[in-house]
Amino acid sequence: EAGVTQFPSHSVIEKGQTVTLRCDPISGHDNLYWYRRVMGKEIKFLLHFVKESKQDESGMPNNRFLAERTGGTYSTLKVQPAELEDSGVYFCASSQDPGSVETQYFGPGTRLLVL
Amino acid sequence: QKEVEQDPGPLSVPEGAIVSLNCTYSNSAFQYFMWYRQYSRKGPELLMYTYSSGNKEDGRFTAQVDKSSKYISLFIRDSQPSDSATYLCAMRRSGATNKLIFGTGTLLAVQP
Repeated sequence: EAGVTQFPSHSVIEKGQTVTLRCDPISGHDNLYWYRRVMGKEIKFLLHFVKESKQDESGMPNNRFLAERTGGTYSTLKVQPAELEDSGVYFCASSQDPGSVETQYFGPGTRLLVL
Repeated sequence: QKEVEQDPGPLSVPEGAIVSLNCTYSNSAFQYFMWYRQYSRKGPELLMYTYSSGNKEDGRFTAQVDKSSKYISLFIRDSQPSDSATYLCAMRRSGATNKLIFGTGTLLAVQP
C-alpha cells in the first residue's frame, strides 16, 4: 500500500511568488493534516481536513496560506505571496480513524526555500 | 513557554548502550503520548503510542508516561547503528482536536 506522498520534494522561489504544495493521503483516509517545521523549531500543526471539510484550521499562520481538499482526496496548500519566514519543511499526514488510538502517517515533506 | 520541551541533543552512544530520551510538558490536558522516529530527509514514523500514564513495551523500545510529573520517556535497549535518527515526542488532548503538539526532537547517533 502506498504511503502519503507529497509533491514537490523541494521548491525554491523568490519572495512574492506563489507556491502550491500537494499531498496525496493514503487511500481511504478521511483525515488529512498539514504541519510545518521551520528551521530550528518544532513541527507545528497548520490544519486538519475531514474529507473535504476543514475541521481545525487554528494553526494557519495568516491569510497568505490557503488549503483545499476538493473531493476529499488530495489536498493542496498554496502560499501567496510567499515571504522569507515561510521557508521550512511542510509535512502532510493522514489517518483513517480519528478515534482515541488514531495513527497519523506522515509524508516525506516538501522543503520550501523562499529567497 | 513551549507546551512541550525536548532536549535537541545531539546524543551519541556506543552500539549496545541503553538510550533514554525524555520530554516534559506543561498542558495537563494531554492524554495521548507518542514517539516518532525521523530519518534524514524522511517524514516522521510512529514508533510508540501510549494513553495516559503507564509503561508500554515493544521489542527493544519502552515508553513511559508519568502524568503527575508531566514527563515522558523512551528507552531503547541494545541500541543499534540503525537506530540513529531524530526522535520526536508528540502529544495531544482528547476531544475535538487531533492536532499533535511536537517537541523539537532529539538527534541520536549510535556509534558502531
